[in-house]
Amino acid sequence: EAAVTQSPRNKVAVTGGKVTLSCNQTNNHNNMYWYRQDTGHGLRLIHYSYGAGSTEKGDIPDGYKASRPSQENFSLILELATPSQTSVYFCASGDHRGDTQYFGPGTRLLVL
Amino acid sequence: AQKVTQTQTSISVVEKTTVTMDCVYETRDSSYFLFWYKQTASGEIVFLIRQDSYKKENATVGHYSLNFQKPKSSIGLIITATQIEDSAVYFCAMRDMGYKLTFGTGTSLLVDP
Repeated sequence: EAAVTQSPRNKVAVTGGKVTLSCNQTNNHNNMYWYRQDTGHGLRLIHYSYGAGSTEKGDIPDGYKASRPSQENFSLILELATPSQTSVYFCASGDHRGDTQYFGPGTRLLVL
Repeated sequence: AQKVTQTQTSISVVEKTTVTMDCVYETRDSSYFLFWYKQTASGEIVFLIRQDSYKKENATVGHYSLNFQKPKSSIGLIITATQIEDSAVYFCAMRDMGYKLTFGTGTSLLVDP
């Protein structure tokens, strides 16, 4: 089973500030994903990546950027944070054989 | 576009009984993958069980099993001999031939002693 870690686990940011959420996985999975979870919406895909150097837009990419500098690391970047981006963010990784995704512990972000 | 629907918002059962959670999905692809995840009170999301659309046998893992009814686009999760620690939110999800996983909105399960 993939080991996926996220940092920070909790973050308070100010409106207009830059926020970077980091994710690391240690099982050499090709695919990595960023989701946000909000009450009433379940989990929604923001960005994903097939491998180092690649990023793809998910269902709700507006206001977010992603970076995949290596196989292990995948970052989610909020260049100009807004209160509507207050949420819980989950990173996940998956192998390419049917792509069962394994999730990190989540990051709670509060934008004031 | 693919869609996953869980109509049961919450379920309450007595410990050691069996519970079934419903999930229906929509996809245009002939090959797809279905998953169930559990989110604990701490927020942790744990993979439970999966069903590949080309497999006719229902998947079983421990006290979790699936009721896959392909003609009805339905994938129910069955938990037998429920335990207090099964109390959680359960999400159904689907991946078609793309890389995206689409989730339902979840069913909250409460297991009472």
